[in-house]
Amino acid sequence: AAGVIQSPRHLIKEKRETATLKCYPIPRHDTVYWYQQGPGQDPQFLISFYEKMQSDKGSIPDRFSAQQFSDYHSELNMSSLELGDSALYFCASSLGYRGEGNEQFFGPGTRLTVL
Amino acid sequence: AQSVSQHNHHVILSEAASLELGCNYSYGGTVNLFWYVQYPGQHLQLLLKYFSGDPLVKGIKGFEAEFIKSKFSFNLRKPSVQWSDTAEYFCAVNAYSSASKIIFGSGTRLSIRP
Repeated sequence: AAGVIQSPRHLIKEKRETATLKCYPIPRHDTVYWYQQGPGQDPQFLISFYEKMQSDKGSIPDRFSAQQFSDYHSELNMSSLELGDSALYFCASSLGYRGEGNEQFFGPGTRLTVL
Repeated sequence: AQSVSQHNHHVILSEAASLELGCNYSYGGTVNLFWYVQYPGQHLQLLLKYFSGDPLVKGIKGFEAEFIKSKFSFNLRKPSVQWSDTAEYFCAVNAYSSASKIIFGSGTRLSIRP
């Protein structure tokens, strides 16, 4: 079965550079979520999109922005990168209906290292 | 606001020992409950989930969890652990409503002595 695809899998950037992470949800899934997992930390919710509209916002820095496109893939744009942005960034997708439709399927993550 | 508490930060067991990891959540409404496992250097994998129905749910690799609504708990159990169960385990919750973010607990690191 198709899973959530994230690219790139690994990314190394310098401080103050920009980065773009991409997420391709499971086919037919209309909701995408972004989570950030710092070293030794639990995943923290950043932002989500349902039918191309932002549906919820968590602890996402103002330097970050995201959007969902017409094909439901999503991109997380990160600017003015800081050392503390080094983390594993997970994307998840769901068929955004109530109850069991709200099960989120996680991608393999993008490991961002900021030097 | 929703929150999830995992009281054991690090558990060390010998192979074949029984496992129980505690998880309590706080949320006023109907919730979905999950346990995820993260093996070293890998991504999150779903172990099991509870949406409704039988409060005792069985997952992959011999894991099970019991939802006790009155205690707001969703403890994870396995009767006999293996060395390959060494991983980080996250309890998680989201609201039963649509497109709801998942709130994770702080995780329990499980180390199995061979």
